[in-house]
Amino acid sequence: QKEVEQNSGPLSVPEGAIASLNCTYSDRGSQSFFWYRQYSGKSPELIMSIYSNGDKEDGRFTAQLNKASQYVSLLIRDSQPSDSATYLCAVPYTGRRALTFGSGTRLQVQP
Amino acid sequence: DTAVSQTPKYLVTQMGNDKSIKCEQNLGHDTMYWYKQDSKKFLKIMFSYNNKELIINETVPNRFSPKSPDKAHLNLHINSLELGDSAVYFCASSQEYGAGANVLTFGAGSRLTVL
Repeated sequence: QKEVEQNSGPLSVPEGAIASLNCTYSDRGSQSFFWYRQYSGKSPELIMSIYSNGDKEDGRFTAQLNKASQYVSLLIRDSQPSDSATYLCAVPYTGRRALTFGSGTRLQVQP
Repeated sequence: DTAVSQTPKYLVTQMGNDKSIKCEQNLGHDTMYWYKQDSKKFLKIMFSYNNKELIINETVPNRFSPKSPDKAHLNLHINSLELGDSAVYFCASSQEYGAGANVLTFGAGSRLTVL
């Protein structure tokens, strides 16, 4: 089992729709979870972090965490073509002082 | 501008050569990293330094040697380059502790092509 798993996509949604990106992780001891966005040819940038079970909202973005199921998701409401990018889920593994990234989900928002 | 800057941005070289990538951050962060992103976009940790001290070395061939002369700089030297070393190498930095410990600021990346 990979440490952080994501569906590679591409996930294609029409403009204005809700995009739902999912991530599972294997380390039950993980306490914090991060979503990074990477545009093609650019470096990753942090868009959301979540530490507690439940939802965390920031503008059009909502992160959802379920530690019992070892599952974290990112919802993007009112998707825009500018949201088209690869979204990377990242988890700091117990005892390892660096983030472990999933392989990313490529999102395409169709105008 | 406060940032993580790495040079060169592009590097094309022949198999067997030795090359270096330099990284500098002026964010005042204590921890710096090298990540490798392969053609499938998988971003994998290679090394992590905290205040010039190596804290992570993730199953990387010893042809790769990081060096941190001070906490603002982390360079990567690669000996005897192989085709499989072709990738984008990202330098990143973060705070050592607290909420900022996993907020990585990445450099723009160095695309290495080995022919």
